[in-house]
Amino acid sequence: DARVTQTPRHKVTEMGQEVTMRCQPILGHNTVFWYRQTMMQGLELLAYFRNRAPLDDSGMPKDRFSAEMPDATLATLKIQPSEPRDSAVYFCASGLVNAFWEQFFGPGTRLTVL
Amino acid sequence: AQSVTQPDIHITVSEGASLELRCNYSYGATPYLFWYVQSPGQGLQLLLKYFSGDTLVQGIKGFEAEFKRSQSSFNLRKPSVHWSDAAEYFCAVGTGNQFYFGTGTSLTVIP
Repeated sequence: DARVTQTPRHKVTEMGQEVTMRCQPILGHNTVFWYRQTMMQGLELLAYFRNRAPLDDSGMPKDRFSAEMPDATLATLKIQPSEPRDSAVYFCASGLVNAFWEQFFGPGTRLTVL
Repeated sequence: AQSVTQPDIHITVSEGASLELRCNYSYGATPYLFWYVQSPGQGLQLLLKYFSGDTLVQGIKGFEAEFKRSQSSFNLRKPSVHWSDAAEYFCAVGTGNQFYFGTGTSLTVIP
């Protein structure tokens, strides 16, 4: 049963600390998406990659957020320094380039910044 | 600008009753359309999708959706709701280089 995995599932940290969230896309998928979900803003697309290359990160605060794909099996989302307003659930999703935006979601990382 | 609207924030239905969740989009061409479901504390699961062809699409868990170009709508339906269908439902729209989720509709199912 192919699934997107995300680690950690929960993260509590203090303001100013660095946070790294990891995502393993479904094997063979060549697009990866990062989303943030909050009660106030709903689901926001932060960034997405195609064949490991960043295509769009316009939804991401550039000054503190960064997203990378070191290899085809790992995507990372980093926040440095973290702030309380970053508290949210962060979802990773993966899909295929020729599948017209069809995405499969991971279980999410719940981040709390104190 | 492209957008997707789910006009109903919250809907309550009785178990066994029919369900229709509304979704409208704003886009010049026919977009790619999706419905996702999210149970509490879980990720999003794809219910169904429309890319082209038959405007009535069948999905998992007994759901279906109909694309109506004239109304720019892609409403989700289920003939008989089960208590396990209580969840948050998201409509989503994909275009050439953008993807948008609606704000979601929370479904409560009462016995």
